[in-house]
Formats: sequence, C-alpha cells, structure tokens
Amino acid sequence: EDKVVQSPLSLVVHEGDTVTLNCSYEVTNFRSLLWYKQEKKAPTFLFMLTSSGIEKKSGRLSSILDKKELSSILNITATQTGDSAIYLCAVEQYNNNDMRFGAGTRLTVKP
Amino acid sequence: KAGVTQTPRYLIKTRGQQVTLSCSPISGHRSVSWYQQTPGQGLQFLFEYFSETQRNKGNFPGRFSGRQFSNSRSEMNVSTLELGDSALYLCASSLMSLDTQYFGPGTRLTVL
Repeated sequence: EDKVVQSPLSLVVHEGDTVTLNCSYEVTNFRSLLWYKQEKKAPTFLFMLTSSGIEKKSGRLSSILDKKELSSILNITATQTGDSAIYLCAVEQYNNNDMRFGAGTRLTVKP
Repeated sequence: KAGVTQTPRYLIKTRGQQVTLSCSPISGHRSVSWYQQTPGQGLQFLFEYFSETQRNKGNFPGRFSGRQFSNSRSEMNVSTLELGDSALYLCASSLMSLDTQYFGPGTRLTVL
C-alpha cells in the first residue's frame, strides 16, 4: 500500500534553533515530492523535488531528496516564531493526479 | 495573476442538507482537484477534473460529486450532509494534469 510517513509528528524548539523534518515514502510510480507549510489556512507550497541529491533552498529553508532511501528532509535554520506551522510532505505519482500526503509535522517555535 | 479562489469561504449547514462549493482556478489552468482536510487526517483526495472530465476519484462515498465547466471553474457538491463532513475543503489547480498544484484558501464547512 502506498504511504507517506513524516517524523516527528510534533516538535517544539526555541527561536534560533535548527530543525530537520523527515519524510519517507513508499509509492508506486513516484514522480515528485512536495513540501508545504500549513498555518491556519490552505497549505503554502515550499519545494518540489524530483531529482535525488539536489538541494533546493529558499532563505532559511532547504530540502533534499534521496531516492535511494526513499526519503526527504526539510531543514529550517535560525527558526522564528513565524515558522510555527504544520509542515506537510506529499508525493505525486505518474499514473494519476493523486497526491499522497503525510500526516504532517507540527512545529512550534517558542520565543 | 490571480490565485485560486474558492467560495464561499465559510459555510454552516445542518445534517441532511446539501451543499455546493465553488472553485475558480488560476487563469489558464485546466486541472482542478478537490481535497478534504480534517484534524488529524491530513489532506484526502476527493477527485480531479481536467477539461470537464473527472480523471481520478478518491475513496469517498457517492454523496460527494463534482463537475467542471468549460471555463475550468469547478463545483463540488455534497448531499445528505453528515456531521463527519465538517472539514476544510481545498481546491487546487494546475496547468495540466500532473503539474504542480496551487491551492486555494479553502472552504470551511461546518455541519451541525
């Protein structure tokens, strides 16, 4: 059965800390892996990863895909309270438009 | 370019009623997908429409249906509402099927 697993499910850190969120997947016909940030409304797209080993970076956030290990990590450096959110990982498959989402990691950044 | 818009943003219904939600995709996008999000469940795929045809459907009962118009706008209908249908319903559009999706703000449905 196809699945996407994120860990940890929740994380509490203090401002300035660096965090690493994990996403592993077991899906057929893998196409891409996406990271989203979800606050009170709809998820905001962060990264789409299709190639293994190539890091994508946006400000303090970065992510990399490891197709051999069937996993991806999302790093956030120098965390801020505004980073508090649920971070969703989703995998797209070639054979349909389904996006399999993980349960998310709830990140809380304390001042 | 305007983003994905969904109307209404909030909706309160009672059990047994039906509801229709609307989604307007980004201009030029032809694929519209619908998702349900409930606390602890993550996002669950409802269905996807492309060029007025339903391409894929998730594991939801027949009470959930949708359609897409020639201008790519899509509607989702839920009949005989149940309490468990209370959720955030998200619409996402993409240029073509299998392209990166852009989510709308969602419609929060509360069933009393």
